[in-house]
Order: sequence, then structure tokens, then C-alpha cells
Amino acid sequence: DVVMTQTPVSLSVSLGGQVSISCRSSQSLVHNNGNTYLSWYLQKPGQSPQLLIYKVSNRFSGISDRFSGSGSGTDFTLKISRVEPDDLGVYYCGQGTQYPLTFGSGTKLEIK
Amino acid sequence: QVQLKESGPGLVQPSQTLSLTCTVSGFSLTSYNVHWVRQPPGKGLEWMGRMRYNGDTSYNSALKSRLSISRDTSKNQVFLKMNSLQTDDTGTYYCTRDSGGSDYWGQGVMVTVSS
Repeated sequence: DVVMTQTPVSLSVSLGGQVSISCRSSQSLVHNNGNTYLSWYLQKPGQSPQLLIYKVSNRFSGISDRFSGSGSGTDFTLKISRVEPDDLGVYYCGQGTQYPLTFGSGTKLEIK
Repeated sequence: QVQLKESGPGLVQPSQTLSLTCTVSGFSLTSYNVHWVRQPPGKGLEWMGRMRYNGDTSYNSALKSRLSISRDTSKNQVFLKMNSLQTDDTGTYYCTRDSGGSDYWGQGVMVTVSS
């Protein structure tokens, strides 16, 4: 199984600040079809996870451009700029290249 | 609009079978894969299995011996059945639509395994 290692476990940031979350996979996430199925999700308190970024760097419909994804192969990053109160929650990376699908253990974002 | 909604019992006794239904709208089950993902209280996400658009299924090997996923396309429903439930199966169960990432999630159904 592909192991997804997410760091840090938690982050505290001031409103308006910027943060980065790292996600590393134990194997390359490049699919045979050339796509890299690495997604980022945010789970707000008491809610279902929501998709932010898919295929490394594509923002899902309605997602602010304050969220950006980058990376390749086994090393990926989510950046959040101009942090707002509504950004708090737990961020997960997830891979869909190889079954079983696997997720990182999550990064909890707190607002100072 | 795209919607998924899980339904099923909130309480299941140990050793019994869990049966959940995911009812979808706004898209066709013959065009998209649907996954089941679960989350123990206060913990992370675990992929359980997938119903592919063509009817094929895939399962997490850790659950494969206990898990079955099926569907009824005429009713726009995907079903999960898992037997021999134990207390560590307690958690919230989600169905999600796959579009290169899980782009839509249901609200989840909380399942407690307890006598």
C-alpha cells in the first residue's frame, strides 16, 4: 500500500498569514496514464471532508485561489495564503493512483 | 446538483452485519466510481472499497473478507455490507464520488458498534 506521510501534525497561524503542508508518498503517484492522482481535502469541524485540490494542482470548483497545490512524483505541498477564519480544520492529502486509496494522517490548522 | 446521502442504522451489535445505502442524485452510477470511506471518532480517513462505473468492485484488503459493495442503478443506490462488526468499526461512514479525486461527499452516517 502507498503510505502518505503528512507534516506537520498541527499548525497555528495568524489571520492573513501563509502556511504550507507537506505530503510525501512512499511510491511515485504517477499513474500509467500519465496523471498524478494527489488530492487535498479540508474537513471543517463537524463536517464531511471537502475537495480542495485534485491532480496535484487543480482547484476544485468554487475553491479560492488562496489555496494552491504543487509537487510531483512523491513530494507534494499545499499552500494557503491570506488565511481566513473559515480555513480552520483538518487538512488531508489523499492518493488515487494505486489501490487501496490512502490518505495522510491529517494536519490540524488552528487560527491564532 | 450532485448529492450523495448515506443511510443506515446508527447502532449495530457486535458480531452483527452492517448494511448501509448511498443514494445519489445529479449523476449516473454508470458514469462515475463511488467509494466508501470511513472515519473512527477523532481519527483519520480509511478507504474501504469502490463500486466502479462498470459494476466492478475493489476492496481494502484489510476488510475484504468482511465487506461487500453492490448497487442498483435503477434506484441510484450503492450498498455496503460488512459482517462480523467489532467495536473498532465504530465511526462515520461516507460515500464519495470519484472524479480524479473525491469531489463530492455525503453527509456521513455515524455507526456505533455496541451491545
